[in-house]
Amino acid sequence: AQSVTQPDIHITVSEGASLELRCNYSYGATPYLFWYVQSPGQGLQLLLKYFSGDTLVQGIKGFEAEFKRSQSSFNLRKPSVHWSDAAEYFCAVTNTGGFKTIFGAGTRLFVKA
Amino acid sequence: DVKVTQSSRYLVKRTGEKVFLECVQDMDHENMFWYRQDPGLGLRLIYFSYDVKMKEKGDIPEGYSVSREKKERFSLILESASTNQTSMYLCASSPNPGTGPNEQFFGPGTRLTVL
Repeated sequence: AQSVTQPDIHITVSEGASLELRCNYSYGATPYLFWYVQSPGQGLQLLLKYFSGDTLVQGIKGFEAEFKRSQSSFNLRKPSVHWSDAAEYFCAVTNTGGFKTIFGAGTRLFVKA
Repeated sequence: DVKVTQSSRYLVKRTGEKVFLECVQDMDHENMFWYRQDPGLGLRLIYFSYDVKMKEKGDIPEGYSVSREKKERFSLILESASTNQTSMYLCASSPNPGTGPNEQFFGPGTRLTVL
């Protein structure tokens, strides 16, 4: 069965520091992977997605993620965090039919001054 | 600007009441979804629809039903609300997959409290 694990429930980083949010998936075929962000009181917004090709994908707001098939991972990174990045981040995997998406439990990011 | 709107941001209902949550999208998307979001559990799919009048159960359909009479509108119905249905409900839509699955576009959510 498909599953997505985000090992960190919450993370605190200082403004200007680098960030890495971890995501591990379990899926039998080639996964389609997504990272979404949810700001307080908002719905989810897509940061980036991976279908095929280059395993390092760039997204909005300066985020990037790297697909590592050997580790079943799709970690999200940002070189320098801004206070406005404080939010909840969700990793997700979709089946080949494209209808059913499994979401991780989310990682809440706190940014300290 | 593309949009998914939900009828209410906050809703308080009594146990046993019938509850309707409405979702409208203006992007002409074929697919629409209802999720519930609970702390520590992420998003869990309740129902989805890939066409008008078509629906499929998600992972947690018990206690819920849906209706899709028009392409742009997808309604979630709680036939008899219970306290364990207190949650955040998110609606989303997406176009049909092209070369790969497409992203989902989310509404702002409805926070439902059942007393």
